[in-house]
Amino acid sequence: GENVEQHPSTLSVQEGDSAVIKCTYSDSASNYFPWYKQELGKRPQLIIDIRSNVGEKKDQRIAVTLNKTAKHFSLHITETQPEDSAVYFCAASNGAAGNKLTFGGGTRVLVKP
Amino acid sequence: NAGVTQTPKFRVLKTGQSMTLLCAQDMNHEYMYWYRQDPGMGLRLIHYSVGEGTTAKGEVPDGYNVSRLKKQNFLLGLESAAPSQTSVYFCASSYLRSEQFFGPGTRLTVL
Repeated sequence: GENVEQHPSTLSVQEGDSAVIKCTYSDSASNYFPWYKQELGKRPQLIIDIRSNVGEKKDQRIAVTLNKTAKHFSLHITETQPEDSAVYFCAASNGAAGNKLTFGGGTRVLVKP
Repeated sequence: NAGVTQTPKFRVLKTGQSMTLLCAQDMNHEYMYWYRQDPGMGLRLIHYSVGEGTTAKGEVPDGYNVSRLKKQNFLLGLESAAPSQTSVYFCASSYLRSEQFFGPGTRLTVL
């Protein structure tokens, strides 16, 4: 089955700096890659996603890039703010029955004011 | 719309007890999922359903059973709880291949 690895497990950045989280996946058939943000004690919420026919997608201060050949994708957060502090999860799906997601282990991001 | 809701929010069980977690969604989604979240291990899929009356195993199904008798509800059962099932359980739903929406979670402790 699919295996998704996420690095780093923790990331501390100064407010205003950029944060980058990287994920690799094993199933070459995977074609959907969402990123979820989970604040302490809350539910995961989708912040951005990308499909395999696109190499990059941006939404204000966040962007995701996908390298299908290397089987890795990354989340970029620019001009970080204290409210960006949370745990971020990447995931991958090959769109098979149920559109099951395989999640990475998560990255705890701390933005220091 | 309430979105995805879960009942209960918290529960403490003794080893060997049974319980059922209820997930409900009001978005008319076809797909529903049960995950468990443990520290440092992300979210792992327990069981899922692609429609009313159907269920399938996920990554970590042992010790759990599920049922989807109505499209809007997805039940997760623990027949004989074990300390290893202490976790936070999240339900999610999606419309076919779109975004998965998560419920608020159930924190379960098995003593």
